[in-house]
Amino acid sequence: SAVISQKPSRDICQRGTSLTIQCQVDSQVTMMFWYRQQPGQSLTLIATANQGSEATYESGFVIDKFPISRPNLTFSTLTVSNMSPEDSSIYLCSAAPDRGTDTQYFGPGTRLTVL
Amino acid sequence: AQSVTQLDSHVSVSEGTPVLLRCNYSSSYSPSLFWYVQHPNKGLQLLLKYTSAATLVKGINGFEAEFKKSETSFHLTKPSAHMSDAAEYFCVVSGWNQGGKLIFGQGTELSVKP
Repeated sequence: SAVISQKPSRDICQRGTSLTIQCQVDSQVTMMFWYRQQPGQSLTLIATANQGSEATYESGFVIDKFPISRPNLTFSTLTVSNMSPEDSSIYLCSAAPDRGTDTQYFGPGTRLTVL
Repeated sequence: AQSVTQLDSHVSVSEGTPVLLRCNYSSSYSPSLFWYVQHPNKGLQLLLKYTSAATLVKGINGFEAEFKKSETSFHLTKPSAHMSDAAEYFCVVSGWNQGGKLIFGQGTELSVKP
């Protein structure tokens, strides 16, 4: 398993600004993932972030809006750029630390409100 | 393509009675299936996982799920509900040849009445 932390836990931001969310894993992992959970909805995968390569984005998500960094095997950041109220969501990161399995462990999430 | 359907958006039970949360899946491959729980204002916690080793999977907090290939189902059960079980539950499918992506169901909110 893995213990995953995220910062900040919540934030209230103004329209047009950007916020960077940090995700830290307590062990080295190859695959990390970023999800969005809109109010009252399920989770939607934004992108897969593998160390040493560019992030792979899902349909409907683009790098200019959600740039991702993955500088090492325990850390990743997601930036929500040029925010609008529609970006108000919970953003969660996850990691798949167990070699040979696809089990993902999740961070506590970052609750973002855009005014 | 893979997908998962949770048949109930909301389930309400009384404390001490059985819990049944229903999930059907669709997969072209032999899937991995998961149940995650999300308590209010918390992250997701893994309840249990099916990976073809055994059709009846036991998880944490007394939950278990049975994989039925003929019915393409993976229902979550618990013999006796506790107040602390009130939460959102997600049924999830993964295709390992899909790069580890998880596909989430829409979630079932479980309420437990005293």
